[in-house]
Amino acid sequence: AQKITQTQPGMFVQEKEAVTLDCTYDTSDPSYGLFWYKQPSSGEMIFLIYQGSYDQQNATEGRYSLNFQKARKSANLVISASQLGDSAMYFCAMRVSGTYKYIFGTGTRLKVLA
Amino acid sequence: SAVISQKPSRDICQRGTSLTIQCQVDSQVTMMFWYRQQPGQSLTLIATANQGSEATYESGFVIDKFPISRPNLTFSTLTVSNMSPEDSSIYLCSVELGQRDYGYTFGSGTRLTVV
Repeated sequence: AQKITQTQPGMFVQEKEAVTLDCTYDTSDPSYGLFWYKQPSSGEMIFLIYQGSYDQQNATEGRYSLNFQKARKSANLVISASQLGDSAMYFCAMRVSGTYKYIFGTGTRLKVLA
Repeated sequence: SAVISQKPSRDICQRGTSLTIQCQVDSQVTMMFWYRQQPGQSLTLIATANQGSEATYESGFVIDKFPISRPNLTFSTLTVSNMSPEDSSIYLCSVELGQRDYGYTFGSGTRLTVV
């Protein structure tokens, strides 16, 4: 069965520092997509970054980068130069192969300290 | 990517009543998805709504409790029926548009509290 695991329920980081949020996944399908979403306290879900299983390079989107280690089945999110507005829940998700369904991890609550 | 208008943004409801949540998309989409996020939990897919056909429900969710309408390619509603406090959650609609690597676009969510 496909599964996403986020082992860090909460993280703290100082403003302007970098932080890594962990995500491991399990699937037997060779083709899959991995996503990170941010959920502020308002409840909306904001797409951050995508990594395809066949992508040769790690995805980057501004201050967000994805450390993709396929052999380890990990897709960690790195946020550089943290800002106070980065305080939120972060969810890792995987697209279920052959469908439009996504499996979400349990999330990591990030708090950026001034 | 799409813009989704979801309403209401929040509501407090009495147990035993029903609430209908609306999602309007600014583009035509084949499938719309409804998710539930219980307090402190991750997102769980309730159902997939296709225009012109019955919604497809995930295990643990039934049409009598969560009826869904999909009258056209830009609009869908989810009703939470005969509510109990256990239904207190954030409900989110979502669509997938454009290239696969854009992922879902979500509505702003409906924060429901049942008292």
